[in-house]
Amino acid sequence: SQQGEEDPQALSIQEGENATMNCSYKTSINNLQWYRQNSGRGLVHLILIRSNEREKHSGRLRVTLDTSKKSSSLLITASRAADTASYFCATDALTGNQFYFGTGTSLTVIP
Amino acid sequence: GAGVSQSPRYKVAKRGQDVALRCDPISGHVSLFWYQQALGQGPEFLTYFQNEAQLDKSGLPSDRFFAERPEGSVSTLKIQRTQQEDSAVYLCASSFGTWTSGTDTQYFGPGTRLTVL
Repeated sequence: SQQGEEDPQALSIQEGENATMNCSYKTSINNLQWYRQNSGRGLVHLILIRSNEREKHSGRLRVTLDTSKKSSSLLITASRAADTASYFCATDALTGNQFYFGTGTSLTVIP
Repeated sequence: GAGVSQSPRYKVAKRGQDVALRCDPISGHVSLFWYQQALGQGPEFLTYFQNEAQLDKSGLPSDRFFAERPEGSVSTLKIQRTQQEDSAVYLCASSFGTWTSGTDTQYFGPGTRLTVL
């Protein structure tokens, strides 16, 4: 079973708008990562946020983490058509080697 | 190599056949993961190798699934007596160091799409 769930499942926006997707997870974590997957391809790492961090930025990406609510959000600012992809959050297990992905948000950016 | 490669990219098997899926990780990467991704879902963890040692196989769905990495580089995921529910994309990922507290970036291959008829 998967650790996380993304919300919304699908999101469609106009180019230039901001896109926000949320992730909730079930158990305590050390770190949370966000990945992107273009159709028919492998996943690409976007950003990692540690459990003792609350916010992190990387280019047009902004990630927040609220460990008390077991949730994270990914904001993509000034979206581009090339941002069209599925976005997944992923968390580690406090013990063990498992790495849990959420169900993903499918983002479509309309030119 | 430049990235993680997987072969074949597509595999069609008849129910009951055995299949072997190959993963070539990035050279020098210590950690290697296998995932199963059903259509419209996120990847599900199958197993983890640290060099040649399989440290975690808790995600393997049945004893029909077997993975190995005998020399600590190339890995093979074998599925015996394939069933229709095994149809999925199988993703391989590698990371540079040992997998400690999920701090490392995983680099994914393009996956092998397995269809069991």
